[in-house]
Amino acid sequence: RKEVEQDPGPFNVPEGATVAFNCTYSNSASQSFFWYRQDCRKEPKLLMSVYSSGNEDGRFTAQLNRASQYISLLIRDSKLSDSATYLCVVNEHDIPTFGRGTSLIVHP
Amino acid sequence: DTAVSQTPKYLVTQMGNDKSIKCEQNLGHDTMYWYKQDSKKFLKIMFSYNNKELIINETVPNRFSPKSPDKAHLNLHINSLELGDSAVYFCASSQESRRAATNYGYTFGSGTRLTVV
Repeated sequence: RKEVEQDPGPFNVPEGATVAFNCTYSNSASQSFFWYRQDCRKEPKLLMSVYSSGNEDGRFTAQLNRASQYISLLIRDSKLSDSATYLCVVNEHDIPTFGRGTSLIVHP
Repeated sequence: DTAVSQTPKYLVTQMGNDKSIKCEQNLGHDTMYWYKQDSKKFLKIMFSYNNKELIINETVPNRFSPKSPDKAHLNLHINSLELGDSAVYFCASSQESRRAATNYGYTFGSGTRLTVV
């Protein structure tokens, strides 16, 4: 049983679209959550933390649903440059677990 | 000015060889990590070092040994390389003094693509 699961995609969306990804986790005692972005053959880069009350950073909104044990990432007004793989990270028992990532392709 | 730098970027070597990957961070962070990303793209933590002390050692073969000469460096030495060791290895750092970067996240190096033939 995987601890952190993501739909691998790819999600194929046109520029300007709104797209959302979910990431489910198995341990209800998980402490903290993040979204990272990884471009092809590059290192992961921190996109944003996920706070209990939800948080927004420009076109990106992250939310946490503890009852259903998932986090989400919403991207509004998609840009071509948003094309990447989005990895969720869940810290469980003070140990980080990365999801496999969701691939996003934004086309003209 | 690169925050977390690792060398080499590519490493091709034969089975049975011993190799090292170097990592340096100039962020003044307290903790450094090694991650492995396999062909299925899963990133798994291998080690973390805080103040020269190993604070995580996941189920990693003892052929892998982290070495930290100082707070800014965490090198990874691998003995008797096997085909299954082929992967991308990422060094990372965090300003937190704990096992996982639970508040501020990680800064990753650009990765070392290891191919064992």
